[in-house]
Amino acid sequence: DTGVSQDPRHKITKRGQNVTFRCDPISEHNRLYWYRQTLGQGPEFLTYFQNEAQLEKSRLLSDRFSAERPKGSFSTLEIQRTEQGDSAMYLCASSPTSGYNEQFFGPGTRLTVL
Amino acid sequence: DQQVKQNSPSLSVQEGRISILNCDYTNSMFDYFLWYKKYPAEGPTFLISISSIKDKNEDGRFTVFLNKSAKHLSLHIVPSQPGDSAVYFCAAGTSGTYKYIFGTGTRLKVLA
Repeated sequence: DTGVSQDPRHKITKRGQNVTFRCDPISEHNRLYWYRQTLGQGPEFLTYFQNEAQLEKSRLLSDRFSAERPKGSFSTLEIQRTEQGDSAMYLCASSPTSGYNEQFFGPGTRLTVL
Repeated sequence: DQQVKQNSPSLSVQEGRISILNCDYTNSMFDYFLWYKKYPAEGPTFLISISSIKDKNEDGRFTVFLNKSAKHLSLHIVPSQPGDSAVYFCAAGTSGTYKYIFGTGTRLKVLA
């Protein structure tokens, strides 16, 4: 399977704990995106990488959130001191570099903060 | 401020008939629009896109229409099939940025 993969698919944690999610994009895609989706809403943009450079961050991404893409391949999204309001589906997507392209989404990581 | 709106949360259509899903946007800077389909427990899957230089794009059973003056786009599915039952999201973006703004989705149910 050469699509976008995300790990884990589900994460249940207690409030105050740190969590880290991983995304592996389609191998030839230089652009990588993180979105968050809550119940009844569409995906909301969080951040965007071109290769290893993080080029844009949403105001939704508070100081407790950090994303990295150290070698321009996989990416991690870490949430520190989780809060119940962080419960959501975290989606990763990737796209090729040239032009305006559709973004290919992974299956998401569902986070539940108790 | 919801820049992309899908005002119909759900739609039911008989198999074989046309499904029409609507989307409105407020930001006149948007110049690229997409439709995604989402099944439960899966990520959104790209369906079809349209750039603002066009008013129609067709791919098999799926056609997207763009009315820039009305800031409105629609997705037509003809003929509708039970496998089309899913949540459909429209999304919009602006040249020079790479983030898409998504609507809240319309749940389509195609009845056999």
